Amino acid sequence: ILNVEQSPQSLHVQEGDSTNFTCSFPSSNFYALHWYRWETAKSPEALFVMTLNGDEKKKGRISATLNTKEGYSYLYIKGSQPEDSATYLCASLLNDYKLSFGAGTTVTVRA
Amino acid sequence: DAEITQSPRHKITETGRQVTLACHQTWNHNNMFWYRQDLGHGLRLIHYSYGVQDTNKGEVSDGYSVSRSNTEDLPLTLESAASSQTSVYFCASSGGSTRTYEQYFGPGTRLTVT
Repeated sequence: ILNVEQSPQSLHVQEGDSTNFTCSFPSSNFYALHWYRWETAKSPEALFVMTLNGDEKKKGRISATLNTKEGYSYLYIKGSQPEDSATYLCASLLNDYKLSFGAGTTVTVRA
Repeated sequence: DAEITQSPRHKITETGRQVTLACHQTWNHNNMFWYRQDLGHGLRLIHYSYGVQDTNKGEVSDGYSVSRSNTEDLPLTLESAASSQTSVYFCASSGGSTRTYEQYFGPGTRLTVT
């Protein structure tokens, strides 16, 4: 089973501040990395699917980078807002269809 | 709009009973997945299917089974429910290879085994 780790487990951010957190995964046999946003009482929603070393993806104030050679991805939130409060999951692809998820980073944005 | 639904949303059952959780998607996706969510573990894959009549075991498949008789549905059956199967279950689907296609998740089913 692929060991996908996310850190920190949780973080608190003041509204307006920027933050980032890490997803690490084994770099051998890399296929793709997914990021999902999971709000309380809802279901996970896809943010990014990344495949190439050096990939950078952006959606609004959220962006992600990927380093497949060293096995990590960063997710950045710029100018955090209360609606950014959620758990952010990353998942590494085991083969064409099977994802191995990390335990998530829970972000709480304080007004 | 296309969607993925799960039923029931909440279920309480007794140890030893057979339970079936339904998952229905209208995306016309070939690929469907069942996960369970447990504290500290994130989402763990139970079973998955690449298409009609295809089913495969995930990392935590013991005690669970699935069948795929059509594109839209992938029901998950707990053969003899155990307290360790108390969890929140999510169904997901995707339209193609997970190399490039994200997964769409249903709203989840909270199962309690007493």
